[in-house]
Order: sequence, then structure tokens, then C-alpha cells
Amino acid sequence: KAGVTQTPRYLIKTRGQQVTLSCSPISGHRSVSWYQQTPGQGLQFLFEYFSETQRNKGNFPGRFSGRQFSNSRSEMNVSTLELGDSALYLCASSLVWADTQYFGPGTRLTVL
Amino acid sequence: AQSVTQLDSHVSVSEGTPVLLRCNYSSSYSPSLFWYVQHPNKGLQLLLKYTSAATLVKGINGFEAEFKKSETSFHLTKPSAHMSDAAEYFCVVTKINRDDKIIFGKGTRLHILP
Repeated sequence: KAGVTQTPRYLIKTRGQQVTLSCSPISGHRSVSWYQQTPGQGLQFLFEYFSETQRNKGNFPGRFSGRQFSNSRSEMNVSTLELGDSALYLCASSLVWADTQYFGPGTRLTVL
Repeated sequence: AQSVTQLDSHVSVSEGTPVLLRCNYSSSYSPSLFWYVQHPNKGLQLLLKYTSAATLVKGINGFEAEFKKSETSFHLTKPSAHMSDAAEYFCVVTKINRDDKIIFGKGTRLHILP
């Protein structure tokens, strides 16, 4: 089976712009989770989608949003980018929530 | 409430010597516990998983972890370190219940000395 794929792998944006990241889960996996990883804060959970519904959400501002499509592919959007949004954004898929997660390689976002 | 604490942010061992990465957790329910590894500029990969079937869990690449309920610990060990083990390791606790959460530890960076 193909693994979790994320596009793009690298992204450079400027403050105030918005960005959309994409994640394709492993075939058959219906749960998709998003994480932000920074040197200072470590790995932080953003949100989780299952069958097109957001079921769990971390403590991030409303600028961070996501959605999931009927084929389980997911997108994450960040609006009005801030310098502090620079991070590695990881997507993970699993058969069910809180079970073994399979991570993609991440999207490295740099905000200038 | 649940939480997970990785007691060391950095661990250095010589190649061929044992590895011990420490993890303590707290959970109001019977947790599932995981160890993941992240090599530089890569995504996370599952090392092993505990779900109450057996207290000693064997994972990939010679790693294993023992669930000790009395000590609320889930330490990761390996008898003999290899240079390729240099990476960051994350202990994770989840609570399979109505209010499910996934909590990652802060990570332990493992350095292997030649």
C-alpha cells in the first residue's frame, strides 16, 4: 500500500497570506489528523477528521481550519499567516481515531 | 486528565551499549501507549504499541518497552545501540473513550557516539 502523502513538501509564504496543505491518507484509512511541529513547542495536535467530520480539535486559533473529502483526502488551511506559523506540518492517517497513526513526510512551511 | 512526560530531552550513548529512553504517563483510564521515532527531516514511524495484551512489547529494530502500571512508566530500551538509531523518539498516550485525546511527549533526542 502507498503511504501517506503530503503536498507540497516545502512552502514559503509571507505574513498575511493564506496557505492550503494537502494530505492523502493510506487507502482504507478514514481518520486523518494534523499536527504542527516546532522546535519550541514540539508536536502539537491540530485536529482530526473522520468521514468528513471534524471530531477532535486542539488548542489552535480559528485561523487554522481543515476539511476532509469523501475519498478521505484532507486539506488544512491557515489564513492570515504569522511568523510563528513557520513549522513542519504533519498529517497522519489511521483506521480509527487514536489507533496506530501512519505519518506523512510533512510540509515545511516558512513564513517570511 | 492524561499526560505524558519524557524525562530526558537528550540521551547520548556509545555504539554497542544499551539504550534507555524514559517515559512516564498519567491517565484516568486504561491507556494505549506508543513509541514513535522521527529521523531527521522525516515523518514519524511507529516503533511499538501497548494495548494491554502483554506488558513487554517488542517493536522494530530491536527496540522493546515494558508497561509498568505501578510505576506509570513505559520506558523504551534496546540492548545494543546502532548509529542508525540516532533520531528523536516520542512517547504517546491515548485514551480510547468518549473524549479521546492523543498526547505526545516532548521527545527525546538520541545521540549515538562512535
